[in-house]
Amino acid sequence: SAVISQKPSRDICQRGTSLTIQCQVDSQVTMMFWYRQQPGQSLTLIATANQGSEATYESGFVIDKFPISRPNLTFSTLTVSNMSPEDSSIYLCSVDGGTNEKLFFGSGTQLSVL
Amino acid sequence: QKEVEQDPGPLSVPEGAIVSLNCTYSNSAFQYFMWYRQYSRKGPELLMYTYSSGNKEDGRFTAQVDKSSKYISLFIRDSQPSDSATYLCAMSGSGGYQKVTFGTGTKLQVIP
Repeated sequence: SAVISQKPSRDICQRGTSLTIQCQVDSQVTMMFWYRQQPGQSLTLIATANQGSEATYESGFVIDKFPISRPNLTFSTLTVSNMSPEDSSIYLCSVDGGTNEKLFFGSGTQLSVL
Repeated sequence: QKEVEQDPGPLSVPEGAIVSLNCTYSNSAFQYFMWYRQYSRKGPELLMYTYSSGNKEDGRFTAQVDKSSKYISLFIRDSQPSDSATYLCAMSGSGGYQKVTFGTGTKLQVIP
């Protein structure tokens, strides 16, 4: 299993600002994933981050809005840029446990945009 | 139509009851079927996973997959207040990296 530390755990932000979420894993992993969890909706994959390459974004998510860094095999950041109230959500970092059906998640970042 | 449908609940049961949680899906390419448990203000944690059809048992938990009906279930026997959480079903295909598709989750409350 993997232990994932994610911070901040929650934040309240003003419209138009940006927030960077950090994800630290206790072991080296090839792939890291960023998810969004909105009330009443399923976990939605934002992007997949591989070390040493550009992140791969899912349909509906763009790099300008959600830039991702992956400087090494244990760390990644997700930035939510130019925030609007529609970005209010829980953002989750995840890694796979060797096979993609076994995902491990951080505790999430509860983001509220005013 | 969503690829994965899950009744959001909430589902409230007395302690000791048998709980049945279900999901239906439309993508016949799904081969891996998972159940995650998510406590309030925590990330999801993998509870069980099965490959293809059949049953899998782990303590008080039993996962069932019926691919012919595109229907999966999670049964919890002798439910405990500590089982109170949101349960997410999830599915993916096989062969290399496959994107995982999640249900919306069912919120379960076990009343002492």
